[in-house]
Amino acid sequence: QKEVEQDPGPLSVPEGAIVSLNCTYSNSAFQYFMWYRQYSRKGPELLMYTYSSGNKEDGRFTAQVDKSSKYISLFIRDSQPSDSATYLCAMNTGTYKYIFGTGTRLKVLA
Amino acid sequence: EPEVTQTPSHQVTQMGQEVILRCVPISNHLYFYWYRQILGQKVEFLVSFYNNEISEKSEIFDDQFSVERPDGSNFTLKIRSTKLEDSAMYFCASSESSVMAFFGQGTRLTVV
Repeated sequence: QKEVEQDPGPLSVPEGAIVSLNCTYSNSAFQYFMWYRQYSRKGPELLMYTYSSGNKEDGRFTAQVDKSSKYISLFIRDSQPSDSATYLCAMNTGTYKYIFGTGTRLKVLA
Repeated sequence: EPEVTQTPSHQVTQMGQEVILRCVPISNHLYFYWYRQILGQKVEFLVSFYNNEISEKSEIFDDQFSVERPDGSNFTLKIRSTKLEDSAMYFCASSESSVMAFFGQGTRLTVV
Protein backbone atom coordinates (compact mmCIF):
# COMPACT_ATOMS: atom_id res chain seq x y z
CA GLN A 1 0.00 0.00 0.00
CA LYS A 2 1.36 3.42 -0.96
CA GLU A 3 2.03 5.77 1.91
CA VAL A 4 -0.07 8.56 0.36
CA GLU A 5 -2.63 8.01 -2.36
CA GLN A 6 -4.26 10.64 -4.49
CA ASP A 7 -6.48 10.30 -7.54
CA PRO A 8 -4.49 11.78 -10.45
CA GLY A 9 -7.57 13.03 -12.30
CA PRO A 10 -7.99 15.00 -14.44
CA LEU A 11 -11.00 16.47 -12.69
CA SER A 12 -13.02 18.84 -14.89
CA VAL A 13 -15.65 21.12 -13.36
CA PRO A 14 -17.61 24.16 -14.55
CA GLU A 15 -16.72 27.58 -13.20
CA GLY A 16 -18.44 28.25 -9.89
CA ALA A 17 -18.59 24.60 -8.84
CA ILE A 18 -17.45 23.28 -5.48
CA VAL A 19 -14.39 21.10 -5.91
CA SER A 20 -13.46 18.27 -3.57
CA LEU A 21 -9.90 16.93 -3.64
CA ASN A 22 -8.84 14.03 -1.46
CA CYS A 23 -5.93 12.01 -0.21
CA THR A 24 -5.72 8.84 1.82
CA TYR A 25 -2.70 7.71 3.74
CA SER A 26 -1.49 4.66 5.59
CA ASN A 27 0.95 6.00 8.19
CA SER A 28 -0.94 6.83 11.38
CA ALA A 29 2.09 8.82 12.62
CA PHE A 30 1.39 11.65 10.17
CA GLN A 31 0.39 14.75 12.12
CA TYR A 32 0.91 17.67 9.74
CA PHE A 33 -1.05 17.95 6.53
CA MET A 34 -0.50 20.41 3.74
CA TRP A 35 -2.07 21.24 0.41
CA TYR A 36 0.01 22.70 -2.37
CA ARG A 37 -1.00 24.02 -5.77
CA GLN A 38 1.37 23.49 -8.67
CA TYR A 39 1.08 25.11 -12.07
CA SER A 40 2.78 23.43 -15.00
CA ARG A 41 6.58 23.47 -14.67
CA LYS A 42 6.44 25.64 -11.55
CA GLY A 43 7.19 25.01 -7.89
CA PRO A 44 4.52 23.87 -5.41
CA GLU A 45 2.74 26.81 -3.76
CA LEU A 46 1.56 26.29 -0.17
CA LEU A 47 -2.21 26.75 0.14
CA MET A 48 -3.23 25.29 3.47
CA TYR A 49 -1.64 23.69 6.50
CA THR A 50 -3.46 21.68 9.18
CA TYR A 51 -2.24 20.01 12.32
CA SER A 52 -4.01 16.84 13.43
CA SER A 53 -7.75 16.41 12.87
CA GLY A 54 -10.31 19.09 12.15
CA ASN A 55 -11.20 21.79 9.66
CA LYS A 56 -9.45 24.93 8.58
CA GLU A 57 -10.84 27.61 6.30
CA ASP A 58 -9.03 30.28 4.30
CA GLY A 59 -11.11 32.26 1.87
CA ARG A 60 -12.53 29.90 -0.74
CA PHE A 61 -10.46 26.97 0.55
CA THR A 62 -11.33 24.55 3.35
CA ALA A 63 -9.03 21.77 4.49
CA GLN A 64 -10.35 18.81 6.45
CA VAL A 65 -8.44 16.08 8.21
CA ASP A 66 -10.01 12.88 9.51
CA LYS A 67 -7.23 10.97 11.22
CA SER A 68 -9.52 8.11 12.24
CA SER A 69 -10.15 7.39 8.55
CA LYS A 70 -6.69 8.50 7.41
CA TYR A 71 -8.38 10.81 4.93
CA ILE A 72 -7.80 14.46 4.10
CA SER A 73 -9.74 16.77 1.82
CA LEU A 74 -9.45 20.18 0.23
CA PHE A 75 -12.62 21.96 -0.81
CA ILE A 76 -12.59 24.88 -3.23
CA ARG A 77 -15.74 26.99 -3.33
CA ASP A 78 -16.77 29.12 -6.31
CA SER A 79 -14.01 27.60 -8.45
CA GLN A 80 -12.39 29.84 -11.06
CA PRO A 81 -10.50 29.03 -14.27
CA SER A 82 -7.38 30.36 -12.51
CA ASP A 83 -7.75 27.47 -10.03
CA SER A 84 -6.83 25.08 -12.85
CA ALA A 85 -3.64 23.42 -11.66
CA THR A 86 -2.37 20.26 -10.03
CA TYR A 87 -3.16 20.00 -6.32
CA LEU A 88 -0.72 18.08 -4.16
CA CYS A 89 -1.31 16.84 -0.67
CA ALA A 90 1.73 16.47 1.56
CA MET A 91 2.16 15.23 5.08
CA ASN A 92 4.79 14.55 7.67
CA THR A 93 5.20 13.11 11.14
CA GLY A 94 6.82 16.26 12.53
CA THR A 95 10.23 15.41 11.14
CA TYR A 96 11.70 17.13 8.12
CA LYS A 97 10.57 14.78 5.40
CA TYR A 98 7.35 15.54 3.57
CA ILE A 99 5.59 12.75 1.74
CA PHE A 100 3.68 13.98 -1.27
CA GLY A 101 0.75 12.51 -3.12
CA THR A 102 0.98 12.18 -6.88
CA GLY A 103 -1.29 15.22 -7.35
CA THR A 104 -4.76 15.71 -8.84
CA ARG A 105 -5.05 17.71 -12.04
CA LEU A 106 -7.97 20.13 -11.87
CA LYS A 107 -9.49 21.93 -14.85
CA VAL A 108 -12.10 24.60 -14.21
CA LEU A 109 -14.00 25.34 -17.40
CA ALA A 110 -15.15 28.89 -18.09
CA GLU B 1 6.27 38.74 -0.29
CA PRO B 2 9.43 36.79 0.58
CA GLU B 3 10.18 33.86 -1.69
CA VAL B 4 12.69 31.11 -2.29
CA THR B 5 14.75 31.81 -5.40
CA GLN B 6 16.59 29.21 -7.44
CA THR B 7 19.20 29.49 -10.16
CA PRO B 8 19.56 28.53 -12.90
CA SER B 9 16.01 27.90 -14.07
CA HIS B 10 17.28 25.35 -16.59
CA GLN B 11 20.59 23.50 -16.71
CA VAL B 12 21.72 21.13 -19.41
CA THR B 13 24.75 19.00 -18.63
CA GLN B 14 26.65 16.09 -20.08
CA MET B 15 26.44 12.74 -18.33
CA GLY B 16 29.28 12.41 -15.85
CA GLN B 17 29.65 16.14 -15.29
CA GLU B 18 29.23 17.86 -11.95
CA VAL B 19 26.40 20.32 -11.45
CA ILE B 20 25.64 22.76 -8.66
CA LEU B 21 22.11 23.98 -8.17
CA ARG B 22 21.72 27.15 -6.16
CA CYS B 23 19.01 28.41 -3.86
CA VAL B 24 18.44 31.48 -1.72
CA PRO B 25 15.97 30.51 1.02
CA ILE B 26 13.63 32.94 2.75
CA SER B 27 15.83 35.02 5.04
CA ASN B 28 14.47 34.19 8.51
CA HIS B 29 13.98 30.47 7.79
CA LEU B 30 16.09 27.90 9.56
CA TYR B 31 15.20 24.67 7.76
CA PHE B 32 16.21 23.99 4.18
CA TYR B 33 15.27 21.19 1.83
CA TRP B 34 15.86 19.78 -1.61
CA TYR B 35 13.16 17.83 -3.40
CA ARG B 36 13.01 16.57 -6.94
CA GLN B 37 10.22 15.78 -9.38
CA ILE B 38 10.86 13.54 -12.36
CA LEU B 39 8.54 14.47 -15.23
CA GLY B 40 5.07 13.08 -14.62
CA GLN B 41 5.94 11.73 -11.18
CA LYS B 42 5.44 12.90 -7.65
CA VAL B 43 7.59 15.29 -5.67
CA GLU B 44 10.23 13.29 -3.77
CA PHE B 45 12.21 14.27 -0.72
CA LEU B 46 15.99 14.33 -1.08
CA VAL B 47 17.45 16.00 1.99
CA SER B 48 16.79 18.43 4.82
CA PHE B 49 19.37 20.71 6.43
CA TYR B 50 19.24 22.45 9.78
CA ASN B 51 21.85 24.09 11.95
CA ASN B 52 24.54 23.55 9.30
CA GLU B 53 24.09 19.84 9.04
CA ILE B 54 21.96 17.28 7.28
CA SER B 55 19.00 16.40 9.50
CA GLU B 56 17.44 13.76 7.26
CA LYS B 57 18.04 12.27 3.83
CA SER B 58 16.33 9.80 1.57
CA GLU B 59 17.74 6.72 -0.12
CA ILE B 60 17.94 8.78 -3.33
CA PHE B 61 20.49 11.08 -1.70
CA ASP B 62 23.55 8.88 -2.14
CA ASP B 63 27.26 9.69 -2.22
CA GLN B 64 26.85 11.50 -5.53
CA PHE B 65 24.83 14.23 -3.81
CA SER B 66 25.96 16.83 -1.33
CA VAL B 67 24.53 20.00 0.13
CA GLU B 68 26.21 23.08 1.47
CA ARG B 69 25.37 26.43 2.95
CA PRO B 70 28.52 28.26 1.92
CA ASP B 71 27.47 31.62 3.36
CA GLY B 72 24.55 33.13 5.26
CA SER B 73 22.20 33.22 2.30
CA ASN B 74 22.88 30.47 -0.24
CA PHE B 75 22.03 26.78 -0.08
CA THR B 76 23.43 24.51 -2.79
CA LEU B 77 22.91 21.00 -4.08
CA LYS B 78 25.83 19.38 -5.85
CA ILE B 79 25.60 16.28 -8.01
CA ARG B 80 29.12 14.99 -8.58
CA SER B 81 28.76 12.78 -11.62
CA THR B 82 25.38 13.19 -13.26
CA LYS B 83 23.45 10.28 -14.73
CA LEU B 84 20.63 10.33 -17.25
CA GLU B 85 18.18 9.41 -14.50
CA ASP B 86 19.09 12.57 -12.58
CA SER B 87 17.10 14.55 -15.13
CA ALA B 88 14.28 16.15 -13.16
CA MET B 89 12.97 19.37 -11.67
CA TYR B 90 14.85 20.13 -8.46
CA PHE B 91 13.05 22.22 -5.89
CA CYS B 92 14.60 24.00 -2.98
CA ALA B 93 12.35 24.77 0.00
CA SER B 94 12.69 26.49 3.34
CA SER B 95 10.64 26.79 6.51
CA GLU B 96 10.67 28.44 9.93
CA SER B 97 9.84 25.16 11.62
CA SER B 98 9.81 21.56 10.40
CA VAL B 99 6.44 22.11 8.73
CA MET B 100 5.00 24.59 6.23
CA ALA B 101 7.82 24.56 3.72
CA PHE B 102 7.83 27.18 0.97
CA PHE B 103 9.15 26.04 -2.38
CA GLY B 104 11.13 27.79 -5.07
CA GLN B 105 10.24 27.69 -8.77
CA GLY B 106 12.70 24.90 -9.43
CA THR B 107 15.69 24.17 -11.63
CA ARG B 108 15.05 21.90 -14.55
CA LEU B 109 18.08 19.64 -14.91
CA THR B 110 18.54 17.86 -18.21
CA VAL B 111 21.35 15.31 -18.43
CA VAL B 112 22.32 14.37 -21.99
